[in-house]
Amino acid sequence: NAGVTQTPKFRILKIGQSMTLQCTQDMNHNYMYWYRQDPGMGLKLIYYSVGAGITDKGEVPNGYNVSRSTTEDFPLRLELAAPSQTSVYFCASSYSQGAGEQYFGPGTRLTVT
Amino acid sequence: GENVEQHPSTLSVQEGDSAVIKCTYSDSASNYFPWYKQELGKGPQLIIDIRSNVGEKKDQRIAVTLNKTAKHFSLHITETQPEDSAVYFCAASTQTGANNLFFGTGTRLTVIP
Repeated sequence: NAGVTQTPKFRILKIGQSMTLQCTQDMNHNYMYWYRQDPGMGLKLIYYSVGAGITDKGEVPNGYNVSRSTTEDFPLRLELAAPSQTSVYFCASSYSQGAGEQYFGPGTRLTVT
Repeated sequence: GENVEQHPSTLSVQEGDSAVIKCTYSDSASNYFPWYKQELGKGPQLIIDIRSNVGEKKDQRIAVTLNKTAKHFSLHITETQPEDSAVYFCAASTQTGANNLFFGTGTRLTVIP
């Protein structure tokens, strides 16, 4: 059981470039989440999904897109990278609404210059 | 939306002493309060959680207390050890919809041997 895996671990982008952050979980969890963590701040929710084919915006969705074609995968897309998107991105999953615990991946550190 | 405040931002204690981290929340509908530990270069990991129908929960050296009237909850670590050094985050959730978590800004705990 690998849990939640994320790729890549690190990435440097130039302003205006695009990229996809990959997230996969093997726990058959229905719920998946994308957070960003800025220095000295807590995690902010970008997007979430309650099941395959269903996604919704969190607190800070601008500049990002997601899709959920399978239960396992929840990629995050940055279309036009901006310096404000420099952050550490975490993917998480949980079994259900009432289960409580969210399981986090190891994170992707993204720098936009 | 929910606003979670966390104090202190940094905390240094001598090994064997106790550490206390405090959080307040704004949404009276929140009923689930987890605490996450984040070690360097890793994703957050749940260490303890409490639901609004209890006032205190303990797991070995870790305890969490909740005061719903005052809308605050605290993490207590006794007999601290160097391996307790990490960043700790509190969070709150209403456990409705997608179980979205609202995080505090984190406390960097350093246990001095």
